[in-house]
Amino acid sequence: QSVLTQPPSVSGAPGQRVTISCTGSSSNIGAGSDVHWYQQSPGTAPKVIMYGNNNRPSGVPDRFSGSRSGTSASLAITGLQAEDEADYHCHSYDSSLSGYVFGTGTKVTVL
Amino acid sequence: QLHLQESGPGLVKPSETQSLTCAVSGASISSSSDYWGWIRQPPGEGLEWIGSIKYSGSTSYNPSFKNRVTMSVDTSKNQFSLKLNSVTAADTAVYYCARHCGPGTGRRWFDPWGQGTLVTVSS
Repeated sequence: QSVLTQPPSVSGAPGQRVTISCTGSSSNIGAGSDVHWYQQSPGTAPKVIMYGNNNRPSGVPDRFSGSRSGTSASLAITGLQAEDEADYHCHSYDSSLSGYVFGTGTKVTVL
Repeated sequence: QLHLQESGPGLVKPSETQSLTCAVSGASISSSSDYWGWIRQPPGEGLEWIGSIKYSGSTSYNPSFKNRVTMSVDTSKNQFSLKLNSVTAADTAVYYCARHCGPGTGRRWFDPWGQGTLVTVSS
């Protein structure tokens, strides 16, 4: 049972902007723990696309951006492309659990 | 380029101990200040952190697994391992190993990940 909640799915047409929310609490995101995001295509391992809230690893397009506010964080994808169709997971640290937690995961569909 | 590869039995019987190893290439486990972690993903479900270990042997476990999990490091082979005992069908999942990097507790992320290995618990 995850302590970080994401919408099960989001969708958009090519070129559109979509956002994925990650809702936590005062013991994780609200406590200042960093939020990271992973992209997972079917049958493959997750790949980090955003770390430390809003930092993109080398090679990740600048169409991806991250933000946080209060007890939530968001990943935005602008100029949606077919290759962006995948599952996305947020990740943070929970001080109450003394451990790292993942979000429930969001499937992004490109219409 | 850092590369991680999981290995271990794909089928484990209920109540037995599951053992997995992660071979690291492209960097030395013992020269890094990073941790090394295990994450699992049951079929069709989300990701779950199991635990992380540093080359020194310092560990951090998910409290949900604390009584069943043991992690170790073999610096001579540049690999780290996971043992999960008293397994049940609920432990059936793809198990990933990954470098757990970042400036400190509460700020670490996983990168890169191994390709993952499916472990099925069944008699």
